[in-house]
This record gives sequence, structure tokens and C-alpha cells, in this order.
Amino acid sequence: EDQVTQSPEALRLQEGESSSLNCSYTVSGLRGLFWYRQDPGKGPEFLFTLYSAGEEKEKERLKATLTKKESFLHITAPKPEDSATYLCAVLSNTGGFKTIFGAGTRLFVKA
Amino acid sequence: GAGVSQTPSNKVTEKGKYVELRCDPISGHTALYWYRQSLGQGPEFLIYFQGTGAADDSGLPNDRFFAVRPEGSVSTLKIQRTERGDSAVYLCASSLTRDTGYNEQFFGPGTRLTVL
Repeated sequence: EDQVTQSPEALRLQEGESSSLNCSYTVSGLRGLFWYRQDPGKGPEFLFTLYSAGEEKEKERLKATLTKKESFLHITAPKPEDSATYLCAVLSNTGGFKTIFGAGTRLFVKA
Repeated sequence: GAGVSQTPSNKVTEKGKYVELRCDPISGHTALYWYRQSLGQGPEFLIYFQGTGAADDSGLPNDRFFAVRPEGSVSTLKIQRTERGDSAVYLCASSLTRDTGYNEQFFGPGTRLTVL
């Protein structure tokens, strides 16, 4: 069964304190891995898609990387406005169109 | 431009009642998804439409849940004989197409359903 596990559940950082969020996945053939940001009371907002091990993508202070078993979302010098829940999701070769989401990591950045 | 919209934003109903939740996708987006999200959890896939047809309904929990998209644009999620366990935020997302690999999904703000 396809599974996505995110850690930590919550992360508190000081402004400027870089860190990484982890997404471990188990799928029968990865079609794609996705990162989303979700603010309270809103729908998820797309950040990145990664397709194969070794791939990396960057956007402002965020950088996503992918291996055969996990993905990391690196946050460099975060700001308070980066506070949100970050969701990881996967699409497998045998899962049809079902995107499987992890429970997310709640990030709090204090000024 | 306009994003994905969902109505109502909040719905409170009594156990056993019927509810309809509406989703207006981004104009031109042929793919439409429904998810539900419980507190502290990620979205849970319910159903995927490509055009008017339900291409994958494997996430619908039981036959009380049904969704339609008759003209390939607006979609309605219908829940019969609601139960307290149906309480959650129901999210809708749309994307350009699924035919050529994955396209990013644009989510609406969700409908918060509370079953008393």
C-alpha cells in the first residue's frame, strides 16, 4: 500500500534558522512527488513536483530534493511568513489518479 | 484571474440529512478532484474527473457519497444520510489536464461540513 510519512509533526524555528522537513514514502513505482504549502483555513498551494531520484528544485528560500525513499524540503533563513503546514504527496504507477498526502509538518517561524 | 471556488464555505447539518457541496474550477481546467481533510491530517483523495466522466472514484468511502460533473465544468459532491464521521473540510482542486503527466493542482478554500 502506498504510504507517506512526514516528520517532524511540528517544527519551531527562529527567523534565519535554516532547517529541513522530511517526507518518507513507500510506493510501487513513483510517478511523482509533490510539495504543497497550506495556510490555516485555506486550500493547499502547489510548490514543487519531483519525478526522479537526484532531482532538485528551488523557489526563493525553499529547495526540494528527492531520493529513492524520501524527499527533503530545505528552508534557508526562514522568515515569519514561511509559517504554514507543508504537505508532501505522491502519485504511484499503480495508484491510478489517487494522490496520497502525508499528514504534514506544521512550521512556526518566530521573529 | 479567478481561482477555484467552493460553496458553501460552511455547512452545518443534522445526522441523516442530505447535503450538496459545489465546486467551480478554474476556467479551462479539464481535470477536477475532490478530497476531504480532517483536522491535523493531509487531504484524502475521494474522486477524480477528466471532463465529464469520473476517471477514478476509488477514494469514495461508501455508496452514500456521489459526485457529478455533467458539463465538464462545475462539480457537485453529494452525501446522503450524513453521519457525524463525515464532518471534515471538503476540498476541490482542478488542473489543466492529466494526459501528459502530472499538472499542478489548484485548490479551492474548501467547505467545512459539520454533522451534528
